[in-house]
Amino acid sequence: EVQLVESGGGLVQPGGSLRLSCAASGFSFSGFWMAWVRQAPGKGLEWVANIKEDGSQKYYVDSVRGRFTISRDNAKNSLYLQMNSLRVEDTAVYYCATHSEYKFEYWGQGTLVTVSS
Amino acid sequence: QSALTQPASVSGSPGQSITISCTGTNRDVGGFNYVSWYQQHPGKAPKLMIYEVSNRPSGVSNRFSGSKSGNTASLTISGLQAEDEADYYCTSYTNSGIHWVFGGGTKLTVL
Repeated sequence: EVQLVESGGGLVQPGGSLRLSCAASGFSFSGFWMAWVRQAPGKGLEWVANIKEDGSQKYYVDSVRGRFTISRDNAKNSLYLQMNSLRVEDTAVYYCATHSEYKFEYWGQGTLVTVSS
Repeated sequence: QSALTQPASVSGSPGQSITISCTGTNRDVGGFNYVSWYQQHPGKAPKLMIYEVSNRPSGVSNRFSGSKSGNTASLTISGLQAEDEADYYCTSYTNSGIHWVFGGGTKLTVL
């Protein structure tokens, strides 16, 4: 059974940093592109970033480029999102998802990030 | 403002069919066959329902179908059931620099 478990969310002040993790199991993690998708409270889904199977290609939505860094450790079956210079508008549930073959196929349950003073 | 336009809400009675539209441009929906649809129940993670415009993942009911005409993709749900009540999102690859765009979501109410 495919499982994706996010962790690392919490309350942080504007300008602060957080590192999200996503632990993967039940599939060949190193064979999949992976992505982070977020959902602000009461709002729709927004693609944040994705990363190629070997980590050699990374893409970001404009609003986080230069502040967020996606990375992965295939030996640990883990995906990460380093979030710096956080803004109030980054408040959201952050989901990790597999992203191969042009679809977000498997999703975690999400971790809530709240940016507030 | 979302890059893809969906109706905010649709409704239907059990057993009926409904269609949710997803309108983009020739740089996303109209230019690529990489439209997918997701169902999200309150407090839950999204679930993939349709990929590459019209393909259903294993385990998804054949009551769900997808199509595309020009810059508009559509999700049709036939034989509506109470458990279909949820939010539905479309997404598409885009060559406009963002790479992946979502619609604003459609709340489906089963009357």
